[in-house]
Amino acid sequence: AQSVAQPEDQVNVAEGNPLTVKCTYSVSGNPYLFWYVQYPNRGLQFLLKYITGDNLVKGSYGFEAEFNKSQTSFHLKKPSALVSDSALYFCAVRSRSPAGGTSYGKLTFGQGTILTVHP
Amino acid sequence: DSGVTQTPKHLITATGQRVTLRCSPRSGDLSVYWYQQSLDQGLQFLIQYYNGEERAKGNILERFSAQQFPDLHSELNLSSLELGDSALYFCASSVGRVAGVTDTQYFGPGTRLTVL
Repeated sequence: AQSVAQPEDQVNVAEGNPLTVKCTYSVSGNPYLFWYVQYPNRGLQFLLKYITGDNLVKGSYGFEAEFNKSQTSFHLKKPSALVSDSALYFCAVRSRSPAGGTSYGKLTFGQGTILTVHP
Repeated sequence: DSGVTQTPKHLITATGQRVTLRCSPRSGDLSVYWYQQSLDQGLQFLIQYYNGEERAKGNILERFSAQQFPDLHSELNLSSLELGDSALYFCASSVGRVAGVTDTQYFGPGTRLTVL
């Protein structure tokens, strides 16, 4: 079974400071990892994904994430936070399953981390 | 705007009733996914369709069913509704190649279901 843990329910950071939202995962085989952001009363917006290659993945709105296989982590980062970054952030994992497997296509999400950026 | 549309935006109904949620995927996307977001369970995968056929199944109750039509829109049917079915239901779509585990799923705005 695959799982995702986001150990912090909330992260608070001052505007202009760097931010990190943590994510660890458990999956058999190669992981495919995703970050999504959810603003109030909105759907999930895709930020970035790791499939293979460079461990540092760059995404939308200045966000990036670092894949660390030995620590099974995929932390989301941004060098300088904006108040408008305040939202709910989800990490998700998808495993490679044989075609026809019953969970093929499934994204497994963490519980989410509320990021609050203070002016 | 992801290009995925969902209707209705809000739905209020009573226990025991049946409702239908509708999703139109992004233009060109063949795969549709349904997820349920609730406070106690978080975001849970329900079911996936690819080009009209069921592709994957998650924690979907027997009271729930879905289908994808020839024009690729999808409907999620929820019947014998219980209070605990109150949640936000998201549809997502992706290009959906057969081996598309690397596909990005793009989410619609969701349907908020309240069961009274």
